[in-house]
Amino acid sequence: EVQLVQSGAELKKPGESLKISCKGSGYLFTAYWIAWVRQMPGKRPELMGIIYPNDSDLRYSPSFQGQATISVDKSINTAYLQWSSLKASDTGMYYCARQVATIRELDLWGQGTLVTVS
Amino acid sequence: EIVLTQSPGPLSLSLGERAILSCRASQSVDGNYLAWYQQKPGQAPRLLIYGAFTRATGIPDRFSGSGSGTDFTLTIVRLEPEDFAVYFCQQYGNSPSITFGQGTRLEIK
Repeated sequence: EVQLVQSGAELKKPGESLKISCKGSGYLFTAYWIAWVRQMPGKRPELMGIIYPNDSDLRYSPSFQGQATISVDKSINTAYLQWSSLKASDTGMYYCARQVATIRELDLWGQGTLVTVS
Repeated sequence: EIVLTQSPGPLSLSLGERAILSCRASQSVDGNYLAWYQQKPGQAPRLLIYGAFTRATGIPDRFSGSGSGTDFTLTIVRLEPEDFAVYFCQQYGNSPSITFGQGTRLEIK
């Protein structure tokens, strides 16, 4: 089955660090970009950035530059989103999604990871 | 940044009716790189339409997309219970400069 499986919900305190994951399976992981998308409750999704697992080409949305760090380990088909010092405003649902090219749609989504900072 | 504005606000319709959802862009969407997603409570968005009018794999033909330039439409005919959800449009002209509309909630009347 083609899928993206994300790590579980997290409850953290302000100032703590966090790394969440997204593991792809059932397809050639290195042939697709992985996007990280934030969605606050009742709000529209927002793209944070994208990474290409084959060469780790990394591009951040200007709105999210410096807010969190995206990385990938292609040997285990896993992408990551991490924070060094969480803020309450980082609370939200975070999705990873697959994109075959930078000018293409997000055709496969993970189930989401709820991050609560309180 | 391209701003997408969706209308109407909540849309209340009955089973079997037709829904027409609109998405207007603040500037022309190059290549008609416009997608529609469906999101149900507690779930991730699901791709319905890409390239303005191409249905994604497994999406029934009750869903259709149209439009070009700055005005796009998602039409759902013969509404079924599972269609009631929030719908987002998205332009993907050049990731990561992707933006989403604010969503339209489709409710059962």
